[in-house]
Parts: sequence; C-alpha cells; structure tokens
Amino acid sequence: GENVGLHLPTLSVQEGDNSIINCAYSNSASDYFIWYKQESGKGPQFIIDIRSNMDKRQGQRVTVLLNKTVKHLSLQIAATQPGDSAVYFCAENKGSQGNLIFGKGTKLSVKP
Amino acid sequence: ETGVTQSPTHLIKTRGQQVTLRCSSQSGHNTVSWYQQALGQGPQFIFQYYREEENGRGNFPPRFSGLQFPNYSSELNVNALELDDSALYLCASSRASGVRSGANVLTFGAGSRLTVL
Repeated sequence: GENVGLHLPTLSVQEGDNSIINCAYSNSASDYFIWYKQESGKGPQFIIDIRSNMDKRQGQRVTVLLNKTVKHLSLQIAATQPGDSAVYFCAENKGSQGNLIFGKGTKLSVKP
Repeated sequence: ETGVTQSPTHLIKTRGQQVTLRCSSQSGHNTVSWYQQALGQGPQFIFQYYREEENGRGNFPPRFSGLQFPNYSSELNVNALELDDSALYLCASSRASGVRSGANVLTFGAGSRLTVL
C-alpha cells in the first residue's frame, strides 16, 4: 500500500505507553473538530470529535482536548497498541460549511 | 451496512487525458464529498454534492467536476490531466439534513490512487 507517512512529523512510543498527538488549527471561527486515523492503503477513519462548546471529550482509550485560546487540539491515546500505528489527522470545520480542513498529520509508530 | 466504496483502486493516465472516478456512498448517507490527498499531506477538499447539486467547492480549477446520482453515488471527473494531479482521491459520505451540511462526520472510502505520467 502507499506510504501516507512520508515527510510527516513522527511520534514513536513503546507499546503500553500513553501517546499525545498535537495539532494547531488555523481558523478561530471553527466550531467543530475531528481526529481521523489513516492506515497505509486505507482512507481516514473517524476516531473522535468535539464541538467548540466543550474542552474535553473522552472515548474508548482516546481523549480529545480543545484549547480555543491558543487554537490547539490534542489527541491522547491510552495504553498505545501496535494496531494504533498510523497517521493521525486533525480536521476543523467552520459553521455551515460542508468541508473539513485537514492538518498535515502525525505518524504514530508503536514499538512492541 | 455497507461502507463507502470507490473504483478503480489504482489507475495510470498520461498528461492531457481525462479520468472518471466513482464512489458509492454508505447506506443511509445522502451527501458526498471528494478530497485530494497528495503523498505525505492531509486531504484537501475538492467539492461536495447534496441533492445532486454542488454544495461547496475548494480551491480547484473547473477541470475538476462532479456528479451525484439519485441513488447518492457520485463521480469525480478530471479533464486535461496534469502531473500534479497525481494523488489519492478520497470520497466521503455523510448524512445531512439540509443544504448546509457542515459538522457531520464523514465516512471515507479507501480512495483511488491516480498516477499521471
């Protein structure tokens, strides 16, 4: 499959450790944010989303934090597993617009 | 529940040719968006279709065009191909209740990898 991780920032963690992936978004008017995971040869897969009226949202093993003051988003993955190895993208959406604006992505590598 | 399916998975074209990529949306979804993903980059929005009409467009020239059919499937057409059009083309579907379909979770297909020589 194609390598979607070329020239991307890389985060390498040990299996079982927690991972934190950061993202700076561009538009202060954005009110909806999503994290996607993309494995090699596949399309992006939804992980978790958060609206701008919240600053934290938890899912299964994942937590998203939103800091609107500094336009920063983070994804925390607890007890990282080899299957979590992928490229992670944050995306933002502004109001009624139908499109998502994606960040450049971070490649997560999990060492067994 | 079937997901988003795209065809073809890979194709090679030469400069100046035309290409048509196809997408079947996920069951229950009525909106289709197309994204271009260059190697090592995040997806870039091309356009979105809702009720068979274009409902938002990104910064792509008119030689990128699309269609949506009554069964919500969609096509992306690119004319006069250029080398820089080489990319993974992603189709995503969602369920929108109105023309302004922002803030809906997109379900992506695996993409069509286009190489232009």
